[in-house]
Amino acid sequence: GESVGLHLPTLSVQEGDNSIINCAYSNSASDYFIWYKQESGKGPQFIIDIRSNMDKRQGQRVTVLLNKTVKHLSLQIAATQPGDSAVYFCAENSGGSNYKLTFGKGTLLTVNP
Amino acid sequence: SQTIHQWPATLVQPVGSPLSLECTVEGTSNPNLYWYRQAAGRGLQLLFYSVGIGQISSEVPQNLSASRPQDRQFILSSKKLLLSDSGFYLCACGQPSNEKLFFGSGTQLSVL
Repeated sequence: GESVGLHLPTLSVQEGDNSIINCAYSNSASDYFIWYKQESGKGPQFIIDIRSNMDKRQGQRVTVLLNKTVKHLSLQIAATQPGDSAVYFCAENSGGSNYKLTFGKGTLLTVNP
Repeated sequence: SQTIHQWPATLVQPVGSPLSLECTVEGTSNPNLYWYRQAAGRGLQLLFYSVGIGQISSEVPQNLSASRPQDRQFILSSKKLLLSDSGFYLCACGQPSNEKLFFGSGTQLSVL
């Protein structure tokens, strides 16, 4: 079936740098996208979401960009901190009434002090 | 906002033994409830979801079953565990009008 995938399985950045985590999706019917952060041994935490009628949304130090033309989603983290080190997952809702999210494989972000 | 309780945090079980993982939700009513499994270093696989008491939908054929005896209680079970059932099990909660899911803290299950 159609799925959500990630370009980079690992990303290492210096503290204070900006981080960009990418995600590709293949289901053109997907109308909602969401980013989660998962620290080791814990459940995923919501970071930010975006609907398909938008191409950009900003939160605190995070921005999500959606390019529907190329089916690409990215998460930008400004001034990355050691506490940002975690696995980041993108997920999509392919439509339908039961809101089943399909998750990508995840990107491990490591922030070096 | 809702709070999701999952227990136990870790569990080691022998092959062939039964399993019961419980998830309860506070701070919301009539939620959609989900069980996901995560293999080490991998993404999340949806196992079951429920839109109401007694209503269970299974996403993949497997050795597990789910039940929802109360509005805010979701149980994952097995009669006989297999080695392949090992993984990190996550309960999630969402509202019928919103795709955003909130996750519990998970149960790390090791079947030996």
